[in-house]
Amino acid sequence: RKEVEQDPGPFNVPEGATVAFNCTYSNSASQSFFWYRQDCRKEPKLLMSVYSSGNEDGRFTAQLNRASQYISLLIRDSKLSDSATYLCVVNGAGTYKYIFGTGTRLKVLA
Amino acid sequence: NAGVTQTPKFQVLKTGQSMTLQCAQDMNHNSMYWYRQDPGMGLRLIYYSASEGTTDKGEVPNGYNVSRLNKREFSLRLESAAPSQTSVYFCASSTANYGYTFGSGTRLTVV
Repeated sequence: RKEVEQDPGPFNVPEGATVAFNCTYSNSASQSFFWYRQDCRKEPKLLMSVYSSGNEDGRFTAQLNRASQYISLLIRDSKLSDSATYLCVVNGAGTYKYIFGTGTRLKVLA
Repeated sequence: NAGVTQTPKFQVLKTGQSMTLQCAQDMNHNSMYWYRQDPGMGLRLIYYSASEGTTDKGEVPNGYNVSRLNKREFSLRLESAAPSQTSVYFCASSTANYGYTFGSGTRLTVV
């Protein structure tokens, strides 16, 4: 089993739709979780951290389910500009290293 | 605020040539990292430096060496480039538990 797993997609959704991605992780001791966004041929950029209680930033909501060892990202009212690859990132417990998922590709269609 | 600066942005090497990728950050972060990204493989850690003066191997260190020159700078060296090292290389820095800030990447082709 990979340490961090994501559905590669693509998820093709119309503008205005709500879309959700999940990411599973294998290390139950992991403490830090993030979602990154990566545009084509660009560097990954931090979208949001994921807190135990769940957190929201505008149209984006991130949640953590420790019991089932997954994090989720919900995007409401999708915009064309949301088209990108979304990377799930989890820290290796007790280390400074972060493990990246291979990403979920989102295409928002006009 | 420059963040993380990588040079060069593009490079073409012949098999067997050597080169050094440079990375510098101005955020006073302790930890720095080198990743490579290949289609379908995601980001894979090559080497990292938890703090100035220390370096450790990551998932795919073979064929690479690193130097943490000071707190700001972390370089990656390919001693004898191979076609399998054709990739996009990203440098990143972080503070504990905050996540990474990435440089804009180096697109390397080895022919």
